[in-house]
Amino acid sequence: GQQVMQIPQYQHVQEGEDFTTYCNSSTTLSNIQWYKQRPGGHPVFLIQLVKSGEVKKQKRLTFQFGEAKKNSSLHITATQTTDVGTYFCAGPTNTGNQFYFGTGTSLTVIP
Amino acid sequence: DTGVSQNPRHKITKRGQNVTFRCDPISEHNRLYWYRQTLGQGPEFLTYFQNEAQLEKSRLLSDRFSAERPKGSFSTLEIQRTEQGDSAMYLCASSLSRDYTFGSGTRLTVV
Repeated sequence: GQQVMQIPQYQHVQEGEDFTTYCNSSTTLSNIQWYKQRPGGHPVFLIQLVKSGEVKKQKRLTFQFGEAKKNSSLHITATQTTDVGTYFCAGPTNTGNQFYFGTGTSLTVIP
Repeated sequence: DTGVSQNPRHKITKRGQNVTFRCDPISEHNRLYWYRQTLGQGPEFLTYFQNEAQLEKSRLLSDRFSAERPKGSFSTLEIQRTEQGDSAMYLCASSLSRDYTFGSGTRLTVV
């Protein structure tokens, strides 16, 4: 079945360092979404990527969709303590009615 | 109506009891989803409604689980004869098109 894997599972960085999480799908995705979940909170939508090779930026966050539309990455430049949380990618199922969520990358930022 | 509302926030129940959770989506959103999330994992899809029609159910949704959205507005998720393995955060999300807005979830603990 369809699987969406993320690496790393955990990442600890010093404040100011960069951070990257990678998402890989076993199948080609029509689009991919990224969510952030703060500790004790619920997932919050960040962005959707649709086109092959697409790159989108939100302030210090850069999202990329692979050329083959089977992988994606989220890069945070100069992390801040407010970036703490778990970042999930999510890809749609064949029906498009719902999304498979990746395993998530938990980011800890050490001040 | 500024977001997705879920009640109760927490529920502790004894094994074998029935529980029911409620989700009030964003009013103009016609799509409603139930997900389950356990510690350290991404959300897992349970079921999906478009208006009042339940269009998709996960194989995770055993016959002890039932969900309704009687008038295409709020939804309920019932778990009968709860088991300890049902302990999780139950998340509701709604959408109009591409991205989900999640509620804060109901945390179920089965003792």
